[in-house]
Amino acid sequence: GDSVTQMEGPVTLSEEAFLTINCTYTATGYPSLFWYVQYPGEGLQLLLKATKADDKGSNKGFEATYRKETTSFHLEKGSVQVSDSAVYFCAQDLTNTGNQFYFGTGTSLTVIP
Amino acid sequence: DSGVTQTPKHLITATGQRVTLRCSPRSGDLSVYWYQQSLDQGLQFLIQYYNGEERAKGNILERFSAQQFPDLHSELNLSSLELGDSALYFCASSVGWGDIQYFGAGTRLSVL
Repeated sequence: GDSVTQMEGPVTLSEEAFLTINCTYTATGYPSLFWYVQYPGEGLQLLLKATKADDKGSNKGFEATYRKETTSFHLEKGSVQVSDSAVYFCAQDLTNTGNQFYFGTGTSLTVIP
Repeated sequence: DSGVTQTPKHLITATGQRVTLRCSPRSGDLSVYWYQQSLDQGLQFLIQYYNGEERAKGNILERFSAQQFPDLHSELNLSSLELGDSALYFCASSVGWGDIQYFGAGTRLSVL
């Protein structure tokens, strides 16, 4: 069935390290893809999105490219900060076809000074 | 502040009881989504309403039901509560479907 698989955490990085969080999706059709972030004690916030193949979403130094050929939407940031410590969720939206909205399991990131 | 309001913030109740969670979407948003977040199940999509009508259904138990009212606010009703229903319940809203969702701060439900 349709789903989203993302890299298991937790991930611990030093400040200014490079971040990659892998995400792959399984869906027929062309879902919109999202990365959401959840800071401690808060609800989810949209980080970035892409709606079609080869689109690149970017925000706050984070980037992800919609790769149809590898069904992937990996999240990257060149230099993480302590303030990036949060849980990151990859998601695919199939509600425009009457299907569901799927979140990955979330990847916890801790950035240490 | 996302503009999505959820009440109450916390709810403590006993097994077998029924509760209602309320969500007010952002002004102008027609879609409302409900999610359950628990440690063992992660973030699960429950249901989506668009302009008063059910639009998409996820892993929502039969003991749970939701509706969206003419003023676009939504309620999630949870009945015959079990210990395993203890979780954070999030509401989100968007303009339409396939759009960015804005999440409320959540309602933490504790079933004792």
